[in-house]
Amino acid sequence: GQQLNQSPQSMFIQEGEDVSMNCTSSSIFNTWLWYKQEPGEGPVLLIALYKAGELTSNGRLTAQFGITRKDSFLNISASIPSDVGIYFCAGQPIESGGSNYKLTFGKGTLLTVNP
Amino acid sequence: GAVVSQHPSRVICKSGTSVKIECRSLDFQATTMFWYRQFPKQSLMLMATSNEGSKATYEQGVEKDKFLINHASLTLSTLTVTSAHPEDSSFYICSVGGTNTGELFFGEGSRLTVL
Repeated sequence: GQQLNQSPQSMFIQEGEDVSMNCTSSSIFNTWLWYKQEPGEGPVLLIALYKAGELTSNGRLTAQFGITRKDSFLNISASIPSDVGIYFCAGQPIESGGSNYKLTFGKGTLLTVNP
Repeated sequence: GAVVSQHPSRVICKSGTSVKIECRSLDFQATTMFWYRQFPKQSLMLMATSNEGSKATYEQGVEKDKFLINHASLTLSTLTVTSAHPEDSSFYICSVGGTNTGELFFGEGSRLTVL
């Protein structure tokens, strides 16, 4: 099946720094989404992107749907300690078999913010 | 977004026993729910799609006789891990689709440990 390459695997940053992570695929995706998961919890949707080139913000978070439809990035500005968690990209591949919710997930980026 | 609740959040069982995990959509009538499995430090893998009033659709490699799914109402889906073995120990997470394509709202997850 389709695979998403998410990088970096982990990041250790100081509070106040900006963060950037991205996902790439060899396949075209219709939809890109970014989720955050905290320990022992289910993922929480942060941003959803539906059009190539789309740039969407949610507070200090900004994500973009790549023009080629094969990549997406997530930026977090002015990080704070509560940003700690695992960030997953997810995409709906073009060959999703007609399901609107069949997603492929990246392997996640573990973010640690030092106060 | 939809509010999804799982129970139990943690369960420990002996090898060979069966365990049932409930997933409830608290504010949304869900004809479809999705069950994911997540091993430590791994991404989310879709196990099956639960369909209200009909059989679940299982992903390739997932044993339907081992992971029994029942979706008897629009607000409740259950996953029963039958004859559990230590290798079934994992974090099981259910989700409900939102109104926009690809949006998933996850429950808190259920940590299964098989001794």
